[in-house]
Amino acid sequence: SQQGEEDPQALSIQEGENATMNCSYKTSINNLQWYRQNSGRGLVHLILIRSNEREKHSGRLRVTLDTSKKSSSLLITASRAADTASYFCATDAAGANSKLTFGKGITLSVRP
Amino acid sequence: EPEVTQTPSHQVTQMGQEVILRCVPISNHLYFYWYRQILGQKVEFLVSFYNNEISEKSEIFDDQFSVERPDGSNFTLKIRSTKLEDSAMYFCASSTLAGPGELFFGEGSRLTVL
Repeated sequence: SQQGEEDPQALSIQEGENATMNCSYKTSINNLQWYRQNSGRGLVHLILIRSNEREKHSGRLRVTLDTSKKSSSLLITASRAADTASYFCATDAAGANSKLTFGKGITLSVRP
Repeated sequence: EPEVTQTPSHQVTQMGQEVILRCVPISNHLYFYWYRQILGQKVEFLVSFYNNEISEKSEIFDDQFSVERPDGSNFTLKIRSTKLEDSAMYFCASSTLAGPGELFFGEGSRLTVL
């Protein structure tokens, strides 16, 4: 089974619209993180939400976590062309020492 | 702003050759990681390293792989005898905390095995 699966796999929206990306996972977690990756570049940390938190905001980003459904969503409001990238959720399984398990990622395209 | 740096950015090698990928983590970070991403696929954990020893490793990190922190700044990943399937982007990351909080990633080293 895979930990951290995002949907949709690809999302195309118009600049100014909101983008919602979802992530599901299978095991209990300590925290869940979202990362962004521009094409051919490294991953950049966006936001971390702990298992005892339900919602978190950072600028135009809003993350929710539902541990009962083992799911998280990332909302980017008022999207910009510069938000075009791949977005990954990553989980830190409860009891695991030190590794993050990444999903396959969502490719977001924001049309100007 | 402090950043994780990786060299080389791209390396092409023949199957069976040894490869060393180098990373300079952020200076006050204590935990170091290698991940890899095969083209178009998910980012996979390879190994974590703390206090000069491996904390955790994945099934991918077999005897062909090793890591080392030879001095106070570098963190290296060695692949002893490369295979075609080792072709991937290799990312180094570091963090201040035990157990992954926020990871700071380098830009990656693209390894192409011919």
